[in-house]
Amino acid sequence: GAGVSQSPSNKVTEKGKDVELRCDPISGHTALYWYRQSLGQGLEFLIYFQGNSAPDKSGLPSDRFSAERTGGSVSTLTIQRTQQEDSAVYLCASRGTSGSYEQFFGPGTRLTVL
Amino acid sequence: SQKIEQNSEALNIQEGKTATLTCNYTNYSPAYLQWYRQDPGRGPVFLLLIRENEKEKRKERLKVTFDTTLKQSLFHITASQPADSATYLCAPENTGGFKTIFGAGTRLFVKA
Repeated sequence: GAGVSQSPSNKVTEKGKDVELRCDPISGHTALYWYRQSLGQGLEFLIYFQGNSAPDKSGLPSDRFSAERTGGSVSTLTIQRTQQEDSAVYLCASRGTSGSYEQFFGPGTRLTVL
Repeated sequence: SQKIEQNSEALNIQEGKTATLTCNYTNYSPAYLQWYRQDPGRGPVFLLLIRENEKEKRKERLKVTFDTTLKQSLFHITASQPADSATYLCAPENTGGFKTIFGAGTRLFVKA
Protein backbone atom coordinates (compact mmCIF):
# COMPACT_ATOMS: atom_id res chain seq x y z
CA GLY A 1 0.00 0.00 0.00
CA ALA A 2 1.00 3.60 -0.49
CA GLY A 3 2.74 5.39 2.31
CA VAL A 4 2.48 9.03 3.29
CA SER A 5 3.13 11.37 0.40
CA GLN A 6 3.97 15.05 0.43
CA SER A 7 4.10 17.67 -2.27
CA PRO A 8 5.98 19.47 -3.49
CA SER A 9 9.25 17.81 -2.56
CA ASN A 10 11.05 21.13 -2.89
CA LYS A 11 9.72 24.65 -2.79
CA VAL A 12 11.71 27.83 -3.30
CA THR A 13 9.87 31.06 -2.66
CA GLU A 14 10.58 34.70 -2.09
CA LYS A 15 10.23 36.35 1.26
CA GLY A 16 6.71 37.63 1.78
CA LYS A 17 5.00 35.09 -0.46
CA ASP A 18 2.46 32.55 0.74
CA VAL A 19 3.10 28.81 0.35
CA GLU A 20 0.95 25.70 0.65
CA LEU A 21 2.36 22.31 1.50
CA ARG A 22 0.29 19.19 0.99
CA CYS A 23 0.20 15.88 2.83
CA ASP A 24 -1.64 12.71 1.78
CA PRO A 25 -1.72 10.36 4.75
CA ILE A 26 -2.12 6.62 4.69
CA SER A 27 -5.73 5.78 3.93
CA GLY A 28 -7.76 5.19 7.07
CA HIS A 29 -5.27 6.79 9.44
CA THR A 30 -7.12 9.00 11.87
CA ALA A 31 -4.24 11.07 13.21
CA LEU A 32 -2.09 13.42 11.15
CA TYR A 33 0.91 15.43 12.31
CA TRP A 34 3.02 18.25 10.91
CA TYR A 35 6.60 18.79 12.07
CA ARG A 36 9.35 21.18 11.06
CA GLN A 37 13.02 20.26 10.95
CA SER A 38 15.68 22.88 10.47
CA LEU A 39 19.10 21.86 9.19
CA GLY A 40 20.86 19.66 11.71
CA GLN A 41 18.08 20.07 14.26
CA GLY A 42 15.44 17.82 15.77
CA LEU A 43 11.77 17.62 14.92
CA GLU A 44 9.66 20.55 16.02
CA PHE A 45 6.00 19.68 16.58
CA LEU A 46 3.64 22.06 14.78
CA ILE A 47 0.09 20.67 14.80
CA TYR A 48 -1.85 17.44 14.90
CA PHE A 49 -5.31 16.35 13.83
CA GLN A 50 -7.18 13.47 15.43
CA GLY A 51 -10.38 12.35 13.76
CA ASN A 52 -13.09 14.97 14.02
CA SER A 53 -11.64 16.58 17.15
CA ALA A 54 -10.35 20.12 17.17
CA PRO A 55 -6.69 20.12 16.10
CA ASP A 56 -3.92 20.73 18.61
CA LYS A 57 -2.28 23.86 17.23
CA SER A 58 -0.03 24.46 20.19
CA GLY A 59 3.19 24.09 18.19
CA LEU A 60 2.45 26.61 15.45
CA PRO A 61 5.18 29.28 15.78
CA SER A 62 3.07 32.26 14.69
CA ASP A 63 -0.30 33.19 13.26
CA ARG A 64 1.27 33.11 9.81
CA PHE A 65 1.03 29.32 10.04
CA SER A 66 -2.23 27.44 9.62
CA ALA A 67 -3.31 23.97 8.62
CA GLU A 68 -6.44 22.24 7.46
CA ARG A 69 -7.45 18.66 7.10
CA THR A 70 -10.28 18.13 4.68
CA GLY A 71 -12.58 15.15 4.91
CA GLY A 72 -10.36 13.56 7.50
CA SER A 73 -7.75 12.83 4.86
CA VAL A 74 -5.55 15.28 2.95
CA SER A 75 -3.95 18.10 4.92
CA THR A 76 -2.54 21.43 3.80
CA LEU A 77 -0.08 23.50 5.79
CA THR A 78 -0.14 27.16 4.78
CA ILE A 79 2.54 29.68 5.61
CA GLN A 80 1.64 33.27 4.89
CA ARG A 81 4.12 36.07 4.28
CA THR A 82 7.06 33.68 4.46
CA GLN A 83 10.24 34.70 6.26
CA GLN A 84 13.76 33.38 5.80
CA GLU A 85 13.58 31.66 9.19
CA ASP A 86 10.73 29.53 7.83
CA SER A 87 13.26 27.69 5.65
CA ALA A 88 13.27 24.08 6.81
CA VAL A 89 12.02 20.61 5.93
CA TYR A 90 8.34 20.18 6.74
CA LEU A 91 7.43 16.61 7.59
CA CYS A 92 4.00 15.09 7.75
CA ALA A 93 3.16 11.86 9.55
CA SER A 94 0.02 9.80 10.00
CA ARG A 95 -0.97 7.32 12.64
CA GLY A 96 -3.54 4.58 12.71
CA THR A 97 -6.51 3.90 14.88
CA SER A 98 -6.66 3.63 18.63
CA GLY A 99 -4.04 1.32 20.05
CA SER A 100 -1.59 1.97 17.25
CA TYR A 101 1.15 4.38 18.18
CA GLU A 102 3.60 4.17 15.30
CA GLN A 103 3.84 7.25 13.14
CA PHE A 104 4.48 6.88 9.43
CA PHE A 105 6.37 9.81 7.98
CA GLY A 106 6.34 11.25 4.51
CA PRO A 107 9.54 12.26 2.71
CA GLY A 108 9.09 15.92 3.61
CA THR A 109 8.94 19.20 1.72
CA ARG A 110 12.12 21.25 1.69
CA LEU A 111 11.14 24.91 1.85
CA THR A 112 13.67 27.59 0.98
CA VAL A 113 12.72 31.22 1.48
CA LEU A 114 15.03 33.62 -0.34
CA SER B 1 8.16 22.33 31.16
CA GLN B 2 8.56 18.98 29.46
CA LYS B 3 12.05 18.25 28.28
CA ILE B 4 13.71 15.41 26.38
CA GLU B 5 17.48 15.07 26.37
CA GLN B 6 19.50 12.89 24.06
CA ASN B 7 23.28 12.81 23.64
CA SER B 8 23.91 15.96 21.67
CA GLU B 9 27.31 14.84 20.46
CA ALA B 10 27.67 12.22 17.78
CA LEU B 11 28.53 8.72 18.86
CA ASN B 12 31.37 7.06 16.97
CA ILE B 13 31.89 3.34 17.40
CA GLN B 14 33.69 0.51 15.68
CA GLU B 15 31.81 -2.09 13.68
CA GLY B 16 30.86 -5.08 15.78
CA LYS B 17 30.66 -3.13 19.04
CA THR B 18 27.48 -2.31 20.94
CA ALA B 19 26.13 1.22 20.59
CA THR B 20 24.24 2.64 23.56
CA LEU B 21 22.13 5.76 23.17
CA THR B 22 20.48 7.59 26.05
CA CYS B 23 17.13 9.37 26.31
CA ASN B 24 16.33 11.29 29.49
CA TYR B 25 13.06 13.09 30.07
CA THR B 26 11.63 15.45 32.67
CA ASN B 27 8.07 16.47 33.52
CA TYR B 28 6.66 13.47 31.71
CA SER B 29 4.84 10.45 33.03
CA PRO B 30 4.99 8.48 29.81
CA ALA B 31 2.73 5.55 29.20
CA TYR B 32 5.20 4.47 26.56
CA LEU B 33 8.28 5.60 24.71
CA GLN B 34 9.14 5.20 21.06
CA TRP B 35 12.45 5.09 19.20
CA TYR B 36 12.81 6.11 15.57
CA ARG B 37 15.64 6.10 13.07
CA GLN B 38 16.23 8.96 10.64
CA ASP B 39 18.56 8.84 7.66
CA PRO B 40 19.73 12.06 5.96
CA GLY B 41 17.08 13.52 3.67
CA ARG B 42 14.38 11.15 4.86
CA GLY B 43 11.57 11.08 7.38
CA PRO B 44 11.98 9.11 10.60
CA VAL B 45 11.13 5.41 10.64
CA PHE B 46 9.65 3.67 13.66
CA LEU B 47 11.84 1.06 15.36
CA LEU B 48 10.50 0.08 18.76
CA LEU B 49 7.92 1.01 21.38
CA ILE B 50 8.27 0.16 25.06
CA ARG B 51 5.47 0.57 27.59
CA GLU B 52 5.79 1.85 31.13
CA ASN B 53 5.26 -1.60 32.60
CA GLU B 54 8.01 -3.12 30.45
CA LYS B 55 11.60 -3.00 31.59
CA GLU B 56 13.12 -4.23 28.36
CA LYS B 57 12.14 -4.85 24.75
CA ARG B 58 14.13 -6.58 22.03
CA LYS B 59 13.92 -6.73 18.28
CA GLU B 60 16.69 -8.49 16.40
CA ARG B 61 19.91 -6.60 17.27
CA LEU B 62 18.02 -3.81 19.04
CA LYS B 63 17.29 -3.61 22.74
CA VAL B 64 15.45 -0.85 24.58
CA THR B 65 15.21 -0.40 28.34
CA PHE B 66 12.83 1.88 30.20
CA ASP B 67 13.42 3.05 33.76
CA THR B 68 10.52 5.21 34.91
CA THR B 69 12.26 5.90 38.23
CA LEU B 70 15.35 7.30 36.55
CA LYS B 71 13.17 8.78 33.79
CA GLN B 72 15.46 7.27 31.23
CA SER B 73 15.43 4.95 28.24
CA LEU B 74 18.52 3.29 26.80
CA PHE B 75 18.70 2.11 23.21
CA HIS B 76 21.28 -0.55 22.35
CA ILE B 77 22.42 -1.83 18.98
CA THR B 78 24.49 -4.97 19.31
CA ALA B 79 26.98 -6.15 16.69
CA SER B 80 26.73 -2.74 15.07
CA GLN B 81 27.22 -2.34 11.32
CA PRO B 82 28.06 0.68 9.16
CA ALA B 83 24.46 0.50 7.88
CA ASP B 84 23.30 1.37 11.40
CA SER B 85 24.77 4.84 10.97
CA ALA B 86 21.88 7.27 11.30
CA THR B 87 20.22 9.63 13.76
CA TYR B 88 18.12 7.98 16.45
CA LEU B 89 15.21 9.84 18.01
CA CYS B 90 13.26 9.05 21.16
CA ALA B 91 9.70 10.16 21.89
CA PRO B 92 8.04 9.64 25.28
CA GLU B 93 4.28 10.02 25.30
CA ASN B 94 1.84 10.48 28.17
CA THR B 95 -1.26 8.41 28.64
CA GLY B 96 -4.14 9.58 26.50
CA GLY B 97 -1.95 11.93 24.56
CA PHE B 98 -1.50 12.11 20.85
CA LYS B 99 0.84 15.07 20.79
CA THR B 100 4.21 13.45 20.19
CA ILE B 101 7.34 15.40 21.02
CA PHE B 102 10.65 14.05 19.77
CA GLY B 103 14.08 14.43 21.27
CA ALA B 104 16.68 16.17 19.15
CA GLY B 105 18.28 12.82 18.32
CA THR B 106 21.72 11.30 18.58
CA ARG B 107 23.83 10.85 15.47
CA LEU B 108 25.52 7.43 15.34
CA PHE B 109 28.49 6.65 13.12
CA VAL B 110 29.64 3.05 12.85
CA LYS B 111 33.09 2.68 11.31
CA ALA B 112 34.09 -0.39 9.34
